[in-house]
Amino acid sequence: AQKITQTQPGMFVQEKEAVTLDCTYDTSDPSYGLFWYKQPSSGEMIFLIYQGSYDQQNATEGRYSLNFQKARKSANLVISASQLGDSAMYFCAMRRRSSASKIIFGSGTRLSIRP
Amino acid sequence: DTAVSQTPKYLVTQMGNDKSIKCEQNLGHDTMYWYKQDSKKFLKIMFSYNNKELIINETVPNRFSPKSPDKAHLNLHINSLELGDSAVYFCASSPYPSGGGTDTQYFGPGTRLTVL
Repeated sequence: AQKITQTQPGMFVQEKEAVTLDCTYDTSDPSYGLFWYKQPSSGEMIFLIYQGSYDQQNATEGRYSLNFQKARKSANLVISASQLGDSAMYFCAMRRRSSASKIIFGSGTRLSIRP
Repeated sequence: DTAVSQTPKYLVTQMGNDKSIKCEQNLGHDTMYWYKQDSKKFLKIMFSYNNKELIINETVPNRFSPKSPDKAHLNLHINSLELGDSAVYFCASSPYPSGGGTDTQYFGPGTRLTVL
């Protein structure tokens, strides 16, 4: 069975510091995709970044990068130079190629940025 | 400009009522989804449609019935509402994950359903 684990229910970080949000996953499928979403207090779900299991390089999108360690089954999100607007819930998610588009989500990490 | 839209944004209703939530996407995607987010923020897929055909149907009470009149719309009808149905319901869409591409799912703004 596939599973996503986010072990940090909440984090506090000083503005302008870098932050790493942990995500580990479990699947026996060799082909899968990993996603990170941000949910601010306004409630919408915002796609941040994607990593495919066969991608050779770690994904980056602006201040977001995904530290993909396939052997350890981890897909941590790194936010550089954090901003107050980064305060939100962050969800890690995974989809197996064989699962007809079904995505499963982790329990989320609430990130709070201190000024 | 809105990519995935849902109406209504808020829905407050009494137990036992029947209600619908509408979803529309203008991204040209083939696949649409409904998710439920509970009070602990846990997100779980309920249904997925590809080109009007049901492809994912999780263990959801049959009081919930999705309807896809065309590939740009996926509505959710809920009969005989119960207190436990109170949650935020998200619609999403993506290209069909046929092996290539990121098949990223883009979410609507959510509908907060409160059953009294």
